[in-house]
Amino acid sequence: GIQVEQSPPDLILQEGANSTLRCNFSDSVNNLQWFHQNPWGQLINLFYIPSGTKQNGRLSATTVATERYSLLYISSSQTTDSGVYFCAVLLSQGGSEKLVFGKGTKLTVNP
Amino acid sequence: EPEVTQTPSHQVTQMGQEVILRCVPISNHLYFYWYRQILGQKVEFLVSFYNNEISEKSEIFDDQFSVERPDGSNFTLKIRSTKLEDSAMYFCASRGGSTAEQYFGPGTRLTVT
Repeated sequence: GIQVEQSPPDLILQEGANSTLRCNFSDSVNNLQWFHQNPWGQLINLFYIPSGTKQNGRLSATTVATERYSLLYISSSQTTDSGVYFCAVLLSQGGSEKLVFGKGTKLTVNP
Repeated sequence: EPEVTQTPSHQVTQMGQEVILRCVPISNHLYFYWYRQILGQKVEFLVSFYNNEISEKSEIFDDQFSVERPDGSNFTLKIRSTKLEDSAMYFCASRGGSTAEQYFGPGTRLTVT
């Protein structure tokens, strides 16, 4: 099956720093989503980004589908950015579909 | 903004008991999903549901699991006889017909003792 690899697995930053999280996937995919899992366990949609670049405030994401990777940029990080960031790729086959998640990047932002 | 809701937020049950996890998807959505996340691990697909039937299920989704859309608004996941290894966070998700973006509920944390 498809492999979704995220790096780095852990990242510790000081407040105000910038960071780049990477998601590599082993096969062609139809779509990709980035999520933030907060300390309460909730999965918050960040980006739905099958290709190209999107920005939302201090966060932006770029997916290069032909090269099978996506990047999530966090600028001027805040302590509330702490949590686990997951990328998930959509597999569609024969009328069914599912998201396949990576193992996540655990981000800790220190004050 | 419309959102997916799930109840209860936390369920504690004894091994062998039946549990029903409830979800209310976004009202005009047509596709529904359940995922689970064992503590500290990645999120895993369980089942997808469309047009009142299962579209796909994973190896995890064995005969102990079932899903139902009983009344046109709720979407439920039933575990018939819970095992210790069913302890996890269970997420419901839904999507509309115009995009493939899935929206997740806040999850139900199931603890089997």
